[in-house]
Amino acid sequence: DAKTTQPNSMESNEEEPVHLPCNHSTISGTDYIHWYRQLPSQGPEYVIHGLTSNVNNRMASLAIAEDRKSSTLILHRATLRDAAVYYCILRDRSSGNTGKLIFGQGTTLQVKP
Amino acid sequence: DVKVTQSSRYLVKRTGEKVFLECVQDMDHENMFWYRQDPGLGLRLIYFSYDVKMKEKGDIPEGYSVSREKKERFSLILESASTNQTSMYLCASSYSGTGVGNQPQHFGDGTRLSIL
Repeated sequence: DAKTTQPNSMESNEEEPVHLPCNHSTISGTDYIHWYRQLPSQGPEYVIHGLTSNVNNRMASLAIAEDRKSSTLILHRATLRDAAVYYCILRDRSSGNTGKLIFGQGTTLQVKP
Repeated sequence: DVKVTQSSRYLVKRTGEKVFLECVQDMDHENMFWYRQDPGLGLRLIYFSYDVKMKEKGDIPEGYSVSREKKERFSLILESASTNQTSMYLCASSYSGTGVGNQPQHFGDGTRLSIL
């Protein structure tokens, strides 16, 4: 599976936008880019995913570079409840059909009031 | 919203006991997964199921078995619990749809299992 690289930690102020970067220079043409987050003492939560085009949903936006070697998760107005570990994951439909998710270390986002 | 419910948030059992962890999803998803999460090791896949009565081993199936008699329910069984199975256990489900790469997985809140 192609690997992703994320900063270990980031800080943000409440109600400001947050841009969480992810590098995936070895991404293949069939890899989808997924983002999950995990709040303390909870299971991972799906945030957003995309293939080539930028994506928006009620939680966040995903900006994908034209060469697909990097992407950015955008939280438009951070709240204290957004403090979590954010994981950028590549999912290939050919991953043995297990569909398993491979979580790296992720980015720990701290939101200051 | 998709809901994946795990039967217990916290569980304490003794070495050698047979332990059952239950997971139910309400979205008619074909795929269901059991992971365990340990500090520094991330999530590791134990078993998954892509249909009723169908199961496949994940990366660390030793010491575990699973049961899927109904589409909405996926059970993880620790045949004879050992202390190295103390962990956070996470259940997830997903739709099959147009390919696994395009389908998000939805997780329960986890069961923190302690084996004494």
